[in-house]
Amino acid sequence: DSGVTQTPKHLITATGQRVTLRCSPRSGDLSVYWYQQSLDQGLQFLIQYYNGEERAKGNILERFSAQQFPDLHSELNLSSLELGDSALYFCASSVGHRDNQPQHFGDGTRLSIL
Amino acid sequence: SQQGEEDPQALSIQEGENATMNCSYKTSINNLQWYRQNSGRGLVHLILIRSNEREKHSGRLRVTLDTSKKSSSLLITASRAADTASYFCATVYNNAGNMLTFGGGTRLMVKP
Repeated sequence: DSGVTQTPKHLITATGQRVTLRCSPRSGDLSVYWYQQSLDQGLQFLIQYYNGEERAKGNILERFSAQQFPDLHSELNLSSLELGDSALYFCASSVGHRDNQPQHFGDGTRLSIL
Repeated sequence: SQQGEEDPQALSIQEGENATMNCSYKTSINNLQWYRQNSGRGLVHLILIRSNEREKHSGRLRVTLDTSKKSSSLLITASRAADTASYFCATVYNNAGNMLTFGGGTRLMVKP
């Protein structure tokens, strides 16, 4: 058990809809990361938050947004969903924001767009 | 898209044999990490090697890093059926904070 909790585990919705994925980091970790894993793109970094502030941005679409709350949990919002957004979305956390720190991953949310 | 490549894409061995996976990357890095992913689960951090290190060990794992060739290898010795999983290398590039850039992964099957 990594200590990172993601909900829901599975999500099935339709094109054009909006969903919210939730992540609770490991106790004591201040950084939260979001990754997308799909068959065609592999594992891709989306965004990082550190202690409530956006720290780094990767291949995140404008239809996607995230935030980290004062209690350090994070939410990833996906809107105007398209078939291609079907993927596994992982949250990871680390103690700080610097490099040389391993990241601890949750078990992901599997998003299926019908 | 992925910034690194892993070789082989799939590997099948017998229990007790050694498994070697290779990873190549494209630009200067701060560190390189290896993660394991069991089917349908999240990634588990295995080992981190910094850019100024050449070799690192952790239990049955041995990782090497050759920055001149921009490559790394992961050796799992005396493999077990429980080692069956996908293995990913992930790089942290200079000036990229702690953002991980993953390779395509190697699917390892260890037959009992």
